[in-house]
Amino acid sequence: SQQGEEDPQALSIQEGENATMNCSYKTSINNLQWYRQNSGRGLVHLILIRSNEREKHSGRLRVTLDTSKKSSSLLITASRAADTASYFCATGPIQGAQKLVFGQGTRLTINP
Amino acid sequence: DGGITQSPKYLFRKEGQNVTLSCEQNLNHDAMYWYRQDPGQGLRLIYYSQIVNDFQKGDIAEGYSVSREKKESFPLTVTSAQKNPTAFYLCASSPRQPWSEWPQHFGDGTRLSIL
Repeated sequence: SQQGEEDPQALSIQEGENATMNCSYKTSINNLQWYRQNSGRGLVHLILIRSNEREKHSGRLRVTLDTSKKSSSLLITASRAADTASYFCATGPIQGAQKLVFGQGTRLTINP
Repeated sequence: DGGITQSPKYLFRKEGQNVTLSCEQNLNHDAMYWYRQDPGQGLRLIYYSQIVNDFQKGDIAEGYSVSREKKESFPLTVTSAQKNPTAFYLCASSPRQPWSEWPQHFGDGTRLSIL
């Protein structure tokens, strides 16, 4: 069963603009993670935010987490062509089997 | 460099044939995972293993089998019972408990197609 739902499913912006992707989930979590997948490749971990954190930064990435709304957002600032990829959120649930549950992803295209 | 190696990169299966996808890691991670990804979709968990000689079914285990005889290896067999095997298969690992609180490291996948 899918826990995370990403929105939008696809996003196309101009190079230099900011890109925002959202993730909603259903059950209580220990943490939420964001991954990037370039076409035909495996996923690469970007950032992990714990349930007691509200915001986290890593370079041009900013992640927020609102546990009351069960949602997270990933902001990529000053986008580059190399940021073109699919982005997935994954949640680590508090209860049940100790495994990550991935959403269906947002396909981001950066136009030069 | 430490990482996860999946082979082959492309694989073709004939009707009624079993095929095995290889996954090897040199990260000394305890847990390993197999995911299936269909075009434009997210990842669905097939099987996972948190210790040698033990593994658990994921959400879509039917038609697949695994083994974990060595810590560094977690091969996936796609059996003839899997009627729609065409997909991109990803192997991943995570270091230790609690399993869901660590980032997963991924291989570069095997793309399986039906002949």
